[in-house]
Amino acid sequence: KAGVTQTPRYLIKTRGQQVTLSCSPISGHRSVSWYQQTPGQGLQFLFEYFSETQRNKGNFPGRFSGRQFSNSRSEMNVSTLELGDSALYLCASSPGGSAGRETQYFGPGTRLLVL
Amino acid sequence: QKEVEQNSGPLSVPEGAIASLNCTYSDRGSQSFFWYRQYSGKSPELIMFIYSNGDKEDGRFTAQLNKASQYVSLLIRDSQPSDSATYLCPYSGAGSYQLTFGKGTKLSVIP
Repeated sequence: KAGVTQTPRYLIKTRGQQVTLSCSPISGHRSVSWYQQTPGQGLQFLFEYFSETQRNKGNFPGRFSGRQFSNSRSEMNVSTLELGDSALYLCASSPGGSAGRETQYFGPGTRLLVL
Repeated sequence: QKEVEQNSGPLSVPEGAIASLNCTYSDRGSQSFFWYRQYSGKSPELIMFIYSNGDKEDGRFTAQLNKASQYVSLLIRDSQPSDSATYLCPYSGAGSYQLTFGKGTKLSVIP
């Protein structure tokens, strides 16, 4: 079974631009979560989607948004990029039906550099 | 604030020794506990999960959970240089799909 895929793998943007990252979950998984990883803050939860609906949201500004499509693929968007948005963005998938009990499987990540 | 406390390390052990990694949680609603390994420049990969108090073994790895003490540990027996990585111990709360992470513990296995 294929794992979680993320595209692109690397991105370089400048301040003020916007960026869209894509994630395809493991086949049959309907929950997609997004995390931001930085050296200073570690891994932090952004949001989680299931059946095209956002179920959970972390403590990030409104510049960070996401969506999920009917095939469970998900995208996240960051508008008006800031230098501090430079990070590894990780997508994780899980089946989506057992809250509090599900194992999440991570994709390879998208490394974003904001100049 | 819900937190996961981990010794950031680095923790250095000789090859063949037992490595012991520990995490404590401030959230009494934490339900499931996971151990992930993350190599430098890579994404986290699952080692194991544990839901119930006690020990859970998988090959060279043993996870121990004590919910009353809000404490989970990971023992790695016969440590190998390939075990050198950062170890993460997130948890999910009851009814949640969110994983809450600590900063991770960097393990170095010396040949």
